[in-house]
Amino acid sequence: EVQLVESGGGVVQPGGSLRLSCAASGFTFRRHWMHWVRQPPGKGLVWVSRIESDGSTTSYADSVTGRFFISRDNAKNTVDLQMNSLRVDDTAVYYCVRGVGGKVVTDFDSWGQGTLVTVSS
Amino acid sequence: NFMLTQPHSVSESPGKTVTISCTGSSGSIASNYVQWFQQRPGSAPTLVIYEDDHRPSGVPDRFSGSIDTSSNSASLTISGLKTEDEADYYCQSFDGSSFAVFGGGTQLTVL
Repeated sequence: EVQLVESGGGVVQPGGSLRLSCAASGFTFRRHWMHWVRQPPGKGLVWVSRIESDGSTTSYADSVTGRFFISRDNAKNTVDLQMNSLRVDDTAVYYCVRGVGGKVVTDFDSWGQGTLVTVSS
Repeated sequence: NFMLTQPHSVSESPGKTVTISCTGSSGSIASNYVQWFQQRPGSAPTLVIYEDDHRPSGVPDRFSGSIDTSSNSASLTISGLKTEDEADYYCQSFDGSSFAVFGGGTQLTVL
């Protein structure tokens, strides 16, 4: 069974930093792209970032470029999101989501339960 | 920027059929696959349709997806509505840079 477990959420002041982590199990992690998707309270889903299977290529939404950094450790089956210069509008539930890889032909087929990040003074 | 537009809400009675639309703002909706996600209150989204019209294992065949190039839209159709289908539904595709784009979501009420 695919499992994605996020951690690291919490309350942070504007301008602060936070590091989210996602522990993956139940599949061959090193073969899959991984994504972070966020959902502001009461609003819709927004793609944030992705990292390809070997970690060589990363991509970011315009709203977080230069502030957020995605990384992965294929030996530990983890993917992280380092969030710097946080703003109030970064407040959201952050989901770790599996991407394409192996026999999986589509992105976003498995989601973690999410971790809440609140940016507030 | 490429956008996907969904109706804010739809409602229908149990046993009936409902269709949720997802309209692309530019280019052809057929240029990239469309996925659909169900999100029940307090839960993470789950994939119900991928690659326009494919169902993941475990998703009932009451759920179907389609593409209409004439209206540049994708659609999610749910037949034989059940109260458990009450949820938010999101479409998703990709922009010109191959970055994921989600629609704004549609709240389905089954009453």
